[in-house]
Order: sequence, then C-alpha cells, then structure tokens
Amino acid sequence: QSALTQPASVSGSPGQSITISCTGTSSDIGGYNFVSWYQQHPGRAPTLIIYAVSNRPSGVSHRFSGSKSGNTASLTISALQADDEADYYCSSYTGDTPLGGVFGGGTKLTVL
Amino acid sequence: EVQLEQSGAEVKKPGESLKISCKGSGNNFPSHWIGWVRQMPGKGLEWMGVIYLDNSDTRYSPSFQGQVTISADKSINTAYLQWSSLKASDTATYYCVRRASWHVDYWGQGTLVTVSS
Repeated sequence: QSALTQPASVSGSPGQSITISCTGTSSDIGGYNFVSWYQQHPGRAPTLIIYAVSNRPSGVSHRFSGSKSGNTASLTISALQADDEADYYCSSYTGDTPLGGVFGGGTKLTVL
Repeated sequence: EVQLEQSGAEVKKPGESLKISCKGSGNNFPSHWIGWVRQMPGKGLEWMGVIYLDNSDTRYSPSFQGQVTISADKSINTAYLQWSSLKASDTATYYCVRRASWHVDYWGQGTLVTVSS
C-alpha cells in the first residue's frame, strides 16, 4: 500500500481540464513543500513535470500545474490533448523513511 | 545535458546473481544522490535505495534492505544494483534516477530484469 493515495483512474475529453489528487499526511505532503509529479507513457521511463509543489521544469507545457492544500496535492492538466494519456505519479518528501521520499500509487489518465 | 545510461535487459533463472549498472554524464555528477526505483509489471513506482556517489553513503528502503546491494564507482560515474540470489518476484523494470533536492530530475531508460525457470 502506497503512502500517498491517488485515484486509480481519471478521464476527460480533448480540450477539457482534469485534476488528479494526491492525499498524504502531515508527515509528508502537509509538512513540506516538496511535492513532485511524474508522467509515464506506456513502455517509457517517467519524466518530471512538476517539482516543489508548483514549479515546472524547462520544456514542460504550461498546461500542467500543481498546487497543495493541507495534506492533499493536486495536478491540473488544462486543454487536454490525446498525448496527455498516460500514468501520473505524485511524490513527496517524508521524514518517515531513510530515503526521504515516497510515491503515490499512480493514476491512469484516459483522454476520451 | 545529464544522461543516465543503464545496462541492457537481463533474463535470469531463480537463484542466480545479477549486477546492473547506470552510467551518468554531466557536470558535477558525483555530487548528487543516485537512486534505484522498481516498477513491477503493471504496477507503480517504488523507491529501493539511494547512493551519494562522492562518498558512497547508501540508504535503503526498509522493504529492500538486505535484499539488494547498491554500490558505485565514482571514478567512472557509475552506480550499480545487485542481487546475490534472484527470485521470480524480482521480475521488474529497474530505473536509475538522479535525485535533486527531493524530486527526481533525471531518469534512466530502465533495465528489464526477467527471472524465470
């Protein structure tokens, strides 16, 4: 069982916006501003799309945005495109493990 | 540009040993934590452990402590993940990653390990 809870799946039509939630505790998401999000297309390695809650790496579309409220972080994808169909994983720093990091279980985004 | 180049896919039998590698390139590479992430077929991402190349300080996830060994050769910017006795349940894709602050900024292409009799 993952320490961070994500919905198993979400879906949306092209052009719409969707939000993926990631729920943790005060020991991880709620206690630190170190939430990151990763996109993984089938058969490919994940890539970083959001770090430190709401920062986008160079080259990542402005359609991807991140936020946090209390123990829940969110990833919003606006103006959905077919290529956004992928698995999305959240991650947060936590002091509860020697590694300092934990992943969510992942969310499958389907673009209808 | 940072790149993490992992060794190729492996097919092994239960009980065999294995060591896979991850060679990094880019400025100041040894001054970063390099980690290994497991992804079992159809499943999510799991942290296995991390190593700081500059001094080989190593940390393991409790789930993987004693099950694998992470090591590194700073002189060639390479990290390793090894098993002394593989099990069928070790079948997975293993990603080498670079950790920046508390996120992963670079991922290797993955190494598929298949353990089957």
